[in-house]
Amino acid sequence: KNEVEQSPQNLTAQEGEFITINCSYSVGISALHWLQQHPGGGIVSLFMLSSGKKKHGRLIATINIQEKHSSLHITASHPRDSAVYICAVDAGNQFYFGTGTSLTVIP
Amino acid sequence: DAGITQSPRHKVTETGTPVTLRCHQTENHRYMYWYRQDPGHGLRLIHYSYGVKDTDKGEVSDGYSVSRSKTEDFLLTLESATSSQTSVYFCAIRQGSSGVNTEAFFGQGTRLTVV
Repeated sequence: KNEVEQSPQNLTAQEGEFITINCSYSVGISALHWLQQHPGGGIVSLFMLSSGKKKHGRLIATINIQEKHSSLHITASHPRDSAVYICAVDAGNQFYFGTGTSLTVIP
Repeated sequence: DAGITQSPRHKVTETGTPVTLRCHQTENHRYMYWYRQDPGHGLRLIHYSYGVKDTDKGEVSDGYSVSRSKTEDFLLTLESATSSQTSVYFCAIRQGSSGVNTEAFFGQGTRLTVV
């Protein structure tokens, strides 16, 4: 049973393309996190949100609490955006994680 | 960057040997977590701590023990390492149990190989 589902699992894009990664969850949450992991690297938190929308540079995250769904958008994608993006939900004393979306941006 | 460090970053050990991984924080956060990351599974919770000497099991706790004798350190021990424990281990910290203002921070990971 997966409390958090992400799609797509893998994504290849040309530089400059608009990218969307989706996350659906089945548990009650107080917040949702989008995380980034570069190959062989640690995990960095991109966003924490509980409602609406947040924007950092070329990254935008939205959440619909009623539909239990969140999206991460990357505008004007760049090869340095190539990484695994992980959705995580805050459900009390612990987090539940999606299996990640592996993004490759080709120059 | 949040003050969280894991050690060692890489380790190769033999089956049957004990191994201890350390997570150290300088943020004075109450909650600390140990996860393992495996292909196709995402991050799965091994154990977590909600205060000094207060710990609880996660979904994949078999074969692991933890200790937290002071706020800044959370140790994960494999009493007798097995090949199935080959994985990347991540530590995470956060201030409160849950809530809209509770940011979480992750360590750089420890790559453990059991041969």
